[in-house]
Amino acid sequence: EAQVTQNPRYLITVTGKKLTVTCSQNMNHEYMSWYRQDPGLGLRQIYYSMNVEVTDKGDVPEGYKVSRKEKRNFPLILESPSPNQTSLYFCASSFYGAQGDGYTFGSGTRLTVV
Amino acid sequence: ILNVEQSPQSLHVQEGDSTNFTCSFPSSNFYALHWYRWETAKSPEALFVMTLNGDEKKKGRISATLNTKEGYSYLYIKGSQPEDSATYLCAFTGSGNTGKLIFGQGTTLQVKP
Repeated sequence: EAQVTQNPRYLITVTGKKLTVTCSQNMNHEYMSWYRQDPGLGLRQIYYSMNVEVTDKGDVPEGYKVSRKEKRNFPLILESPSPNQTSLYFCASSFYGAQGDGYTFGSGTRLTVV
Repeated sequence: ILNVEQSPQSLHVQEGDSTNFTCSFPSSNFYALHWYRWETAKSPEALFVMTLNGDEKKKGRISATLNTKEGYSYLYIKGSQPEDSATYLCAFTGSGNTGKLIFGQGTTLQVKP
């Protein structure tokens, strides 16, 4: 089944403890993105990648890192999480990017930083 | 940061009513406009990708139009059903940076049986 898989679905962690949220897609998509969803603020793009080894900042990149060493994987790294990074995170992928068929989203990761 | 606005913020209609929402986006440097449907406890799903001024797309009872010169898109739902209840998101990409997708805050539709 064609899908974007995020792990974990839920995570509670403490301030400062490094964590990685994984994202993998099995559709050979070129484009991948990370978003965070906060009440009243909508979906905001954190980072995106247009191909292997090509990544760029979205609108809210502070406090996050990404890497794209293989086409299928696009992990989101929080080196030192803080409570203001408590949010619902989505990974998404697309073959043609903005002019394709739209992005396929993962199931989401609800992160709580205490 | 470019602004994408959606209105209304929420909408309550009766089953069988037809409804429409608006997405406003920057009219310069247009590249693409997306519509997504987002049901509670699920992930957003793509409805339409629109790239040309005057584009009209249709999927069942849902259709969308695009005016890039004035910077707006309409989403129409004909004969709303309870299963249409969801948040509808639009997202804009400008030609200056085709990897960036800027979302509006969405219109939440509730259809009462």
